Amino acid sequence: DVKVTQSSRYLVKRTGEKVFLECVQDMDHENMFWYRQDPGLGLRLIYFSYDVKMKEKGDIPEGYSVSREKKERFSLILESASTNQTSMYLCASSSDRSNQPQHFGDGTRLSIL
Amino acid sequence: GNSVTQMEGPVTLSEEAFLTINCTYTATGYPSLFWYVQYPGEGLQLLLKATKADDKGSNKGFEATYRKETTSFHLEKGSVQVSDSAVYFCALSSGGYNKLIFGAGTRLAVHP
Repeated sequence: DVKVTQSSRYLVKRTGEKVFLECVQDMDHENMFWYRQDPGLGLRLIYFSYDVKMKEKGDIPEGYSVSREKKERFSLILESASTNQTSMYLCASSSDRSNQPQHFGDGTRLSIL
Repeated sequence: GNSVTQMEGPVTLSEEAFLTINCTYTATGYPSLFWYVQYPGEGLQLLLKATKADDKGSNKGFEATYRKETTSFHLEKGSVQVSDSAVYFCALSSGGYNKLIFGAGTRLAVHP
């Protein structure tokens, strides 16, 4: 089974801090994704990566950056955390064959105080 | 642009009732369609998928048929259980790299 592991289930940080969310997958998938999930809004794509060191903006990239130095690891960075970034963050991965589903981690619930 | 619309929840049912969660989409081309389920405190799990018109996806008693003429992918189950209580997301593939566009999610609560 595909395993996508997010480093923290719960995280509390302060406004202005630099925050790192880590995600690792064990299926040698080419594509990796970061979403945020907010009530009533579903999942919104922040960034995705289709190869090592390659990244593309999703629908809501403002205030975030990402890093993919190794194929199995995809990091989401909040450069200067703000309260409106309090949310559930979900990481996913998929192979690059067409019509393949994404596989999700358990999520990180991030609170910015 | 591409989009997914799901019926608003919550949907509240008694055990063994019939379930329908409506999903309609707007898309160019021929997207694949997916249903994901999110149990409390967990990430999303793939429930079923369909990759072309008239395909029926099925899993764990759930079914959905890809209807191109009505641009719909409604989720159905003949007899729900308390353990089916979760949030259900409809999604379509969009723009390559297996990117997905999700609906807002529908919360299902099943009572004994």
